[in-house]
Amino acid sequence: QVQLVESGGGVVHPGGSLRLSCAASGFTFTNYGMHWVRQTPRKGLEWVAAMSYDGSNIFYSSSVNGRFTISRDSSNNTLYLQMNSLRTEDTAVYYCARGRHHSAWSSSDSWGQGTPVTVSS
Amino acid sequence: DIVMTQSPDSLAVSLGERATINCKASQSVLYSSDNKNKLGWYQQKPGQPPKLLIYWASTRESEVPDRFSGSGSGTDFTLTISSLQAEDVAVYYCQQYYSVPFTFGQGTKLEIK
Repeated sequence: QVQLVESGGGVVHPGGSLRLSCAASGFTFTNYGMHWVRQTPRKGLEWVAAMSYDGSNIFYSSSVNGRFTISRDSSNNTLYLQMNSLRTEDTAVYYCARGRHHSAWSSSDSWGQGTPVTVSS
Repeated sequence: DIVMTQSPDSLAVSLGERATINCKASQSVLYSSDNKNKLGWYQQKPGQPPKLLIYWASTRESEVPDRFSGSGSGTDFTLTISSLQAEDVAVYYCQQYYSVPFTFGQGTKLEIK
């Protein structure tokens, strides 16, 4: 079955960097768009970034644009989120999610369990 | 950005009764090229990731019980649970994927009365 396993979360100081990984299995990774979504108790669910199946379309929320980079490695079926210049407001649980089809414009039909990121001095 | 506003913020319904959750978009999410509303509904139980229930506003995801249904078009949408079961206690979110950023509603917490 579809499985998405996030890793790479942790505690980092403001201004620091982290790279999140999402290992995908149980489906043909190269056929699907992928998303990162984060969640905090205060702000709820917040869409962060998306990439189409072939990487030709990449989108970011304005709150992370220029600081975060989404990428994918089809050779090892892994999605990444490189997070630079981290701010306290980036503290959240980060979810990797599969789009329903190849495009970035889709709902997300499978989600990982999430990895927590804490940005604190 | 398209703002998604859900109502109510919380809801208590008796077992076996109908539950209705509303979602209003600040602009239309109906894509004219395919006449599909780019609107999804998710269920999130404590300690779990969200689960897709409905996409294209009214298409039920596979293996989702048929007591869940979605309706609406343009800017106004509804998620209905026809006969509430104990396992339906959760927070429900709508999301538009019509335009970037793909925004979520603030969530509606559904409890048993």
